[in-house]
Amino acid sequence: QVTLRESGPALVKPTQTLTLTCTFSGFSLSTTGMCVTWIRQPPGKALEWLARIDWDDDKFYTPSLETRLTISKDTSKNQVVLKMTNMGPADTATYYCARVLRSYSESSGYSYWFDPWGQGTLVTVSS
Amino acid sequence: EIVLTQSPGTLSLSPGQRATLSCRARQSVSNTYLAWYQQKPGQAPRLLIYGASSRATGIPDRFSGSGSGTDFTLTISRLEPEDCAVYYCQQYGSSPLFIFGPGTKVEIK
Repeated sequence: QVTLRESGPALVKPTQTLTLTCTFSGFSLSTTGMCVTWIRQPPGKALEWLARIDWDDDKFYTPSLETRLTISKDTSKNQVVLKMTNMGPADTATYYCARVLRSYSESSGYSYWFDPWGQGTLVTVSS
Repeated sequence: EIVLTQSPGTLSLSPGQRATLSCRARQSVSNTYLAWYQQKPGQAPRLLIYGASSRATGIPDRFSGSGSGTDFTLTISRLEPEDCAVYYCQQYGSSPLFIFGPGTKVEIK
């Protein structure tokens, strides 16, 4: 059974750096093709993709937040860490991590989707 | 940049009725890149459909996906009370790598 769980502070102050940890089980990030991603959701709003890290340590970020985000992995601990610098009130959200699955087709190459997701962790930015 | 729109914003139907949810992309994309997620109140999203039409493991067959190019559809053939949720489409693309639509809320009367 694949499970993921997010952990980190529930409250951060403006300008601080947020560090979130995704601890997973049921798969290994050293397996070829495996990836983990982070997504966030402000209260009452839609989902926003943030970052992805692959088994070969390739990293991808959403362009609007790329300068503030760092994703890393510790394969031995089955953990993925997301750091976001210079937090502000607009970063208040529930942060989710998810396993990324992929499939290959001759016509369109690789496609990706997220399954399963962690339960999420609510981060509030306030002084 | 990929932009996804979803309609309607809210759908209010009775149990047993058919729900049709639309997801439209600004530019044509491969249908292998389109997924649908269900998010019930207070819960994390759950994968329903990937590759535009393939059901994820454990998803009831009353959920189906279709479409190609710029227009994609999620159909719930016979609504049940537990289908009350927000449904998001998601596209894998170039920049950003992944994007979600704004969601369609399904209410059960």
